[in-house]
Amino acid sequence: KAGVTQTPRYLIKTRGQQVTLSCSPISGHRSVSWYQQTPGQGLQFLFEYFSETQRNKGNFPGRFSGRQFSNSRSEMNVSTLELGDSALYLCASSLRPGTDGYTFGSGTRLTVV
Amino acid sequence: DAKTTQPPSMDCAEGRAANLPCNHSTISGNEYVYWYRQIHSQGPQYIIHGLKNNETNEMASLIITEDRKSSTLILPHATLRDTAVYYCIVFNNAGNMLTFGGGTRLMVKP
Repeated sequence: KAGVTQTPRYLIKTRGQQVTLSCSPISGHRSVSWYQQTPGQGLQFLFEYFSETQRNKGNFPGRFSGRQFSNSRSEMNVSTLELGDSALYLCASSLRPGTDGYTFGSGTRLTVV
Repeated sequence: DAKTTQPPSMDCAEGRAANLPCNHSTISGNEYVYWYRQIHSQGPQYIIHGLKNNETNEMASLIITEDRKSSTLILPHATLRDTAVYYCIVFNNAGNMLTFGGGTRLMVKP
């Protein structure tokens, strides 16, 4: 079966712009989580969605937001981009929140210049 | 904060067993130990998980001490492709987020 698909794979944006990243979970998976990975902070949890509802949110500013659609696909948005937002953004899906074996996508590499 | 402690790096000779330790002394009774690995610039890959008993799958074995305060991931015959950062995570299945620590950078050498 197809894995977790994240688009785009690479992205370059300018400070102050906004960006939208997309994640398509494994078919049948209804929970989608987002993580940010930077060399300095490692992998950090952003938020999780299940049945179109945000269930948990990490310690990130309000510029970071997301949503989930009825087909379980999810998007995350970052507004007013800062240089420090440059990171690998990873999406993970699971059948339901807290179930075994979160499957990660390959990520979107965002560079803010 | 991550609930696990791992050595920052380890080396292993190709073909030998790689034993990656993890301390999780504050683990609760309903928390599982999960292992993921991340090869450069890819998403983390699930390896194995366990609660109390030792577990084995096609990728690795997981040995959990009786008091559950530590565990060891064993790659029985390491190959160069096993070079990656390995993350040990304590996870409550009633929760919904993985908390990653710094992981162990395993270097498999010819």
